[in-house]
Amino acid sequence: AQKITQTQPGMFVQEKEAVTLDCTYDTSDPSYGLFWYKQPSSGEMIFLIYQGSYDQQNATEGRYSLNFQKARKSANLVISASQLGDSAMYFCAMRELNFNKFYFGSGTKLNVKP
Amino acid sequence: SQTIHQWPATLVQPVGSPLSLECTVEGTSNPNLYWYRQAAGRGLQLLFYSIGIDQISSEVPQNLSASRPQDRQFILSSKKLLLSDSGFYLCAWSVEGAKNIQYFGAGTRLSVL
Repeated sequence: AQKITQTQPGMFVQEKEAVTLDCTYDTSDPSYGLFWYKQPSSGEMIFLIYQGSYDQQNATEGRYSLNFQKARKSANLVISASQLGDSAMYFCAMRELNFNKFYFGSGTKLNVKP
Repeated sequence: SQTIHQWPATLVQPVGSPLSLECTVEGTSNPNLYWYRQAAGRGLQLLFYSIGIDQISSEVPQNLSASRPQDRQFILSSKKLLLSDSGFYLCAWSVEGAKNIQYFGAGTRLSVL
C-alpha cells in the first residue's frame, strides 16, 4: 500500500487566492511526522512545514498551514494568498519515528495564474 | 548555520563508466545522511541512508553503492553505469530529534548515454 498519496497531479490557482493541496498517509506507527516540501524548477527541495502526530494544533508557517486530520489520516497543505513564485511541485512526506524511514508522495504541480 | 553541498550539479556519463557523487554537510555533527533518486516528473525514491560512519542501509537493490568515509561526507558510487541510472539525485541530512526534518542539497542531474 502507498504510504503517502497525493491525488492531484496538477492544480491551478489564481494569484492572491488560497489553494489546498491534498495528502493522505498510511501508517500503523503511533509516532510519526508529516512534512511538506516545495520543489521549484531548479530541482532543490525546500522544506515548508512540519506536523507531529501528537501535535494538538495545526502547524502554520507564514502563508503555509497544514490541515491535520488524524482520524482521516490526511495532512493537506493550505497556501494562502498565492504568489507567482509559488508555482512549483509540492511533495508531502512522512517519517515513521520507530523506523527512521521517510516516504514521499508523487507530488502535485501547482501553477499560479496572474 | 548548517549547509549542505552536493556536486556536481550536472553530469553526462557513458554507459559502463564509473560514478562518484559527493555530498558534504557543514555546521552540524553526526547527521543522518540520505541519498534519493527522482525520475523525471516523479517522487523521490530513497536509495541509502546512514546514521553514522560505516553505518549505511540500502533501501533498493540496484547498481549503486554508498559510503560515508567521514562524519559529514556521503558518497554515491557505481562501478558501471546503466541507462536506467539516469535521473536527479538528491542528498539530504537531518539531525536526530523530535522533528528530524530533512534538508536537501541542490541535486545532481545525471544523464547516462
